[in-house]
Amino acid sequence: NAGVTQTPKFQVLKTGQSMTLQCAQDMNHNSMYWYRQDPGMGLRLIYYSASEGTTDKGEVPNGYNVSRLNKREFSLRLESAAPSQTSVYFCASLLQGRTPLHFGNGTRLTVT
Amino acid sequence: TQLLEQSPQFLSIQEGENLTVYCNSSSVFSSLQWYRQEPGEGPVLLVTVVTGGEVKKLKRLTFQFGDARKDSSLHITAAQTGDTGLYLCAGYNAGNNRKLIWGLGTSLAVNP
Repeated sequence: NAGVTQTPKFQVLKTGQSMTLQCAQDMNHNSMYWYRQDPGMGLRLIYYSASEGTTDKGEVPNGYNVSRLNKREFSLRLESAAPSQTSVYFCASLLQGRTPLHFGNGTRLTVT
Repeated sequence: TQLLEQSPQFLSIQEGENLTVYCNSSSVFSSLQWYRQEPGEGPVLLVTVVTGGEVKKLKRLTFQFGDARKDSSLHITAAQTGDTGLYLCAGYNAGNNRKLIWGLGTSLAVNP
């Protein structure tokens, strides 16, 4: 009963380094999302995938890329990390329509 | 522009007190969800309200959706330390089922 699993839980990067955040869900959900959460800014949508094979930009996509590898997995890549990307990143999934979002426990990323 | 305004932003109360958190908008929402987030974890759905005027109860928590579907409230009776957390409201604008609009959250601390 894992739900949504994110790896890693913590990461420290230097400016300019790249990394990929991994997300997998085992609930057979169709849609998957990447959010960032910052104090005073709330949850902001980076990218989402409404269904396998499709991806779309959210509110704050600059500096990020995503891959919907299959129905289970949705990864987020930072090609050249910047201090402004220091944040807590959450992956979420939902079955369809207006059903609830199921979140992972987040990745805390610090870029120095 | 923040379409969902939550108030208060912070709340610190003693165990046993009652409290109400508000989620307001000038837009109509087809449904509204309330989530609770504990430190180090992702948000977890508490309830979804769909019909204007709807009231839902979850033990000591009472959720209400405004008649015009532009606002919602969460009332907690006799708060306990276990209620401590970040409470988030989120909704789907009428006509858009793809992306949730999030409030900034209310951080609740219940002191023993």
